[in-house]
Amino acid sequence: DTAVSQTPKYLVTQMGNDKSIKCEQNLGHDTMYWYKQDSKKFLKIMFSYNNKELIINETVPNRFSPKSPDKAHLNLHINSLELGDSAVYFCASSPTGGDYNEQFFGPGTRLTVL
Amino acid sequence: EDQVTQSPEALRLQEGESSSLNCSYTVSGLRGLFWYRQDPGKGPEFLFTLYSAGEEKEKERLKATLTKKESFLHITAPKPEDSATYLCAVRQGGSEKLVFGKGTKLTVNP
Repeated sequence: DTAVSQTPKYLVTQMGNDKSIKCEQNLGHDTMYWYKQDSKKFLKIMFSYNNKELIINETVPNRFSPKSPDKAHLNLHINSLELGDSAVYFCASSPTGGDYNEQFFGPGTRLTVL
Repeated sequence: EDQVTQSPEALRLQEGESSSLNCSYTVSGLRGLFWYRQDPGKGPEFLFTLYSAGEEKEKERLKATLTKKESFLHITAPKPEDSATYLCAVRQGGSEKLVFGKGTKLTVNP
């Protein structure tokens, strides 16, 4: 059983388009995250939701909008895509209510903007 | 200012040649130091959480240790299947976010 899944795995699109990436977790976790991994493999937090409430919102262009319809799903919508948005986007989830909770990552979505 | 620095950036070992990876951090109120393994084209896979200075954890050929300023990931008698990028991350008190280092790419040659 896949714990954290993302769709699509690959996304190739033109500059200026709008696209969405979906994430689902079946671990029963309360908190979900979006990370961006750039070409140098540096992994950086973008957003986090806890029980559908936004709790982390890093310095990310407002073209990026996360949406959490329920605590098992966290989607990422990107408007007016730019070349610099090309990266691998990872979804992750973790339990809350205790310290030191580890995060579990999905397989990633490789976004290429042409 | 980098809060998490990993060294070396890349490491090549011969099978059976033990070594260590370093992760130094500057956050205050540490609420966990995490080690992940990432294979090409995949998401990071959780390995260890370390809570306090002096703590050690082991898993197969890997052993992670923690001091007040850094963590080491010791790899004993590595095998080619240990080849991957190893990521270190820290969580600071009062925050849910993980801050990652840039990783160490380990290659183990047969």
